[in-house]
Amino acid sequence: SQKIEQNSEALNIQEGKTATLTCNYTNYSPAYLQWYRQDPGRGPVFLLLIRENEKEKRKERLKVTFDTTLKQSLFHITASQPADSATYLCALGDTGKLIFGQGTTLQVKP
Amino acid sequence: DTAVSQTPKYLVTQMGNDKSIKCEQNLGHDTMYWYKQDSKKFLKIMFSYNNKELIINETVPNRFSPKSPDKAHLNLHINSLELGDSAVYFCASSPYSGRDYEQYFGPGTRLTVT
Repeated sequence: SQKIEQNSEALNIQEGKTATLTCNYTNYSPAYLQWYRQDPGRGPVFLLLIRENEKEKRKERLKVTFDTTLKQSLFHITASQPADSATYLCALGDTGKLIFGQGTTLQVKP
Repeated sequence: DTAVSQTPKYLVTQMGNDKSIKCEQNLGHDTMYWYKQDSKKFLKIMFSYNNKELIINETVPNRFSPKSPDKAHLNLHINSLELGDSAVYFCASSPYSGRDYEQYFGPGTRLTVT
């Protein structure tokens, strides 16, 4: 069956460290993958897009990798700040629609 | 100016009632979506419209009926509400359909069915 898995347990890290979030998928062949941030009581906000022919994308302190062999994307936040605390959703692009993972909650402690 | 807006933000109603949620985007996008986010935070697409035409219709009970009067508006009408319909419903838009464009989400409507 098709699955997208993000670590359902919250990720707690210390301010200044690098946070690494994982998105694994099975039985999908996504042409692209997107990452979104969701704060409590708000809608998701787009962060980064990576296409199947791209290995890595960066935007300021954010970096995303996409390994179509491992069927995995990693999302990194360097020099993390308490303001980065939120839930991060990965979404696969599949036949013209986005399929979302359940998200990983990141808590950055000062 | 809010890019994607939804009304109401909260909706509490009883089983069996009929209710509507409205969505408007002022981004000039051609494509709009309805998503449902359940208590486990899974965000699942329900419908998508491109320039007023229905292009995605996931396995959703036919008690749910979307309507797009123009490409800036997408409404969701729900008949005979059930307890399992309780969730947060998000509207979103993107410039076009079927490509890797980012989606812009509204603030969500929290529906509680008692």
